[in-house]
Amino acid sequence: DAGITQSPRHKVTETGTPVTLRCHQTENHRYMYWYRQDPGHGLRLIHYSYGVKDTDKGEVSDGYSVSRSKTEDFLLTLESATSSQTSVYFCAIRQTNSPLHFGNGTRLTVT
Amino acid sequence: AQRVTQPEKLLSVFKGAPVELKCNYSYSGSPELFWYVQYSRQRLQLLLRHISRESIKGFTADLNKGETSFHLKKPFAQEEDSAMYYCALGGDDYKLSFGAGTTVTVRA
Repeated sequence: DAGITQSPRHKVTETGTPVTLRCHQTENHRYMYWYRQDPGHGLRLIHYSYGVKDTDKGEVSDGYSVSRSKTEDFLLTLESATSSQTSVYFCAIRQTNSPLHFGNGTRLTVT
Repeated sequence: AQRVTQPEKLLSVFKGAPVELKCNYSYSGSPELFWYVQYSRQRLQLLLRHISRESIKGFTADLNKGETSFHLKKPFAQEEDSAMYYCALGGDDYKLSFGAGTTVTVRA
């Protein structure tokens, strides 16, 4: 399995608070992704990165920001969490011309 | 824009019966298609990639560019095949788009 660690695994937070999720990889892969998984919607891309400090928006980027200051870390920040951001968040990594490999996910509940 | 459609949200089959999961895509360029599987509360795992043309766990999928489809098939379903299955489409920009997923239940 690809070396991907997501932290925390579970998080409960209140509406309006900031939240940062971390994705750490040990594979030195170039591409990193954040998806959210919701029933009926499958996986939707939030943001992705194609290199250090190089990021781009996905289809559901509103309310989220990301940063990648090192190859191995990709942070997802919810500046002011809302109940609609309650979801399971998956990080994934990919090397050029290879498939995506996923982390174990972070279950976020916004109350 | 790229789009993946999985028309079936739920699929229930008996053990030993054939199973087919449908996937249709929309993409103007040269597509890269995948099937991922997620067993209960686990991470998503790659099941198949269209360019490899191999069979994994008895599953196969053929890319049909004329029908823009990448259906997943298995001739004899097993109980351990019960899972969520996602079809995914990769484009030139290395973004992967996923379908809404199909939950497969294999009954004894």
